[in-house]
Amino acid sequence: GQQLNQSPQSMFIQEGEDVSMNCTSSSIFNTWLWYKQEPGEGPVLLIALYKAGELTSNGRLTAQFGITRKDSFLNISASIPSDVGIYFCAGSSGTYKYIFGTGTRLKVLA
Amino acid sequence: NAGVTQTPKFQVLKTGQSMTLQCAQDMNHEYMSWYRQDPGMGLRLIHYSVGAGITDQGEVPNGYNVSRSTTEDFPLRLLSAAPSQTSVYFCASSTGTGRGGAPLHFGNGTRLTVT
Repeated sequence: GQQLNQSPQSMFIQEGEDVSMNCTSSSIFNTWLWYKQEPGEGPVLLIALYKAGELTSNGRLTAQFGITRKDSFLNISASIPSDVGIYFCAGSSGTYKYIFGTGTRLKVLA
Repeated sequence: NAGVTQTPKFQVLKTGQSMTLQCAQDMNHEYMSWYRQDPGMGLRLIHYSVGAGITDQGEVPNGYNVSRSTTEDFPLRLLSAAPSQTSVYFCASSTGTGRGGAPLHFGNGTRLTVT
């Protein structure tokens, strides 16, 4: 089945550093979503993007809808230990069906 | 504010057994869906429903059945469990405006092992 290419697959960073991750697709999307998943729990919505070029923030998190509509980016500024988890992107071309990336596993070293 | 509730949290089945995974939401969402999550595969859509009485197949529907008799509930049935169905199953719902694109709200998952 179709999947998004999400990178990096995993990353270890020092507390206080900024983090960047991205998703790319061969298809054009109308909606991009970013989720965080912690162990034993379901994904929790972080940011939703609906327009090409849109830049949206949620606290220390900022996400962008790429202007080609085939990519999206998530940045986390000044990372803290509770940022640990798996971050997923998801894209939709306007239907109910979302395609999910394979996730970026983030570990923060204090 | 319960959101999306899934039961059970854990389940072990023997090959060939059947069972139903329960999902209920209290947000009056029209759209409900089931995903499975496997290592390195992301989340894959099994079945979805855009309203009571309406269901459709997703990307990996084989071996699973669904029905939607009420807005609140969307159970997933495993007809004859196989080891390949060992996975974590997530139910998700959204407001479903008809244009699509509304964010999904997830339950906390059911961890299923088939031996």
